[in-house]
Amino acid sequence: DGGITQSPKYLFRKEGQNVTLSCEQNLNHDAMYWYRQDPGQGLRLIYYSQIVNDFQKGDIAEGYSVSREKKESFPLTVTSAQKNPTAFYLCASGTRLTDTQYFGPGTRLTVL
Amino acid sequence: RKEVEQDPGPFNVPEGATVAFNCTYSNSASQSFFWYRQDCRKEPKLLMSVYSSGNEDGRFTAQLNRASQYISLLIRDSKLSDSATYLCVARGNAGNMLTFGGGTRLMVKP
Repeated sequence: DGGITQSPKYLFRKEGQNVTLSCEQNLNHDAMYWYRQDPGQGLRLIYYSQIVNDFQKGDIAEGYSVSREKKESFPLTVTSAQKNPTAFYLCASGTRLTDTQYFGPGTRLTVL
Repeated sequence: RKEVEQDPGPFNVPEGATVAFNCTYSNSASQSFFWYRQDCRKEPKLLMSVYSSGNEDGRFTAQLNRASQYISLLIRDSKLSDSATYLCVARGNAGNMLTFGGGTRLMVKP
């Protein structure tokens, strides 16, 4: 099955802890993206990567970090510097030549 | 002003009704537009792309008006399963970036 997977589906962490969200795709897509969605709001771009070993900040990168060591993987770390980390985190991927982005099922992070 | 604006709704319509959503965008350089559907607590899924000439996919019709900078989505013969949030999306001209509207919630009632 081709697609994008995110794990875990639900994640609970204590305030002040770093946490890493996984995103894997086997669609052979070059571009990968991380978004955050808060209740009743649209998606906001955190980071994106167009090729391996390169990534760019999105609109709300503060308090987050990413890596892109493999084409298939784009993990997101939510650091303790992120002031309001509780949200729904969505990973997406797409080819460089087309417009469409496809989303993974998301990770719902709750910081207690 | 938000880059992509939508009426959040909810739009409550009976089964079989026709419903239309509009969305406005502020970046005149936006090149591509899309409608995504998002079910409650799920990921967005591409519903359709929006072309200048307009496009239709079954009961769904999307239109783009570049002069007025708005996009529309028309749903005919609404089904209960159409109940969802519809996200209007515009793509800029750098890095394949998408800008999402806040979504319009549709509730189709029996």
